[in-house]
Amino acid sequence: ETGVTQTPRHLVMGMTNKKSLKCEQHLGHNAMYWYKQSAKKPLELMFVYNFKEQTENNSVPSRFSPECPNSSHLFLHLHTLQPEDSALYLCASSHSGGAVDEQFFGPGTRLTVL
Amino acid sequence: AQTVTQSQPEMSVQEAETVTLSCTYDTSESDYYLFWYKQPPSRQMILVIRQEAYKQQNATENRFSVNFQKAAKSFSLKISDSQLGDAAMYFCAYRSATVAASKLTFGTGTRLQVTL
Repeated sequence: ETGVTQTPRHLVMGMTNKKSLKCEQHLGHNAMYWYKQSAKKPLELMFVYNFKEQTENNSVPSRFSPECPNSSHLFLHLHTLQPEDSALYLCASSHSGGAVDEQFFGPGTRLTVL
Repeated sequence: AQTVTQSQPEMSVQEAETVTLSCTYDTSESDYYLFWYKQPPSRQMILVIRQEAYKQQNATENRFSVNFQKAAKSFSLKISDSQLGDAAMYFCAYRSATVAASKLTFGTGTRLQVTL
């Protein structure tokens, strides 16, 4: 497996709950990403952090709130989600500025919103 | 904006045979990277092979090779001597080479079945 871990692996939450997804990379990378993978749709970028600074927000609703306290950790805080937010949430990391800047993915968190 | 299209939702190949997965993309950039990722059932997405757009030579990684046609904006993946472990979703992806930490743009994926 790659050096990107995600917890929890599965999460079921109600529309009024608040929860957080955690991602940690052990690869010495300086860029981290959140992607959303829904059924029958392409993986969709949500956020990019480069050297702890958010560099891209792909018009994500405010009920998703990212946090990047350091280059190794990335969180996605969730509140008042909708059933259509149910999906696999993938975290990735890369060495920004490297020759190819290859992204390494975590196993994902399968989120179900009731 | 860049787009990636995978026109084959599902493909099937017999063990030890060869299969080709198709991918086309659209971009106005001249400098970019293309990738094929593999996502086995309930497993992590892993990189299979990558191609730098400025390189004319097609990339190869053991049994995996690509046919990169820059003018046609085509980037197909050939899997030779298919194995049961090759069964997975395969995603074609594009990334700009002009922006650091830029996003990957993915296609919708091709599910590959490998039969005995």
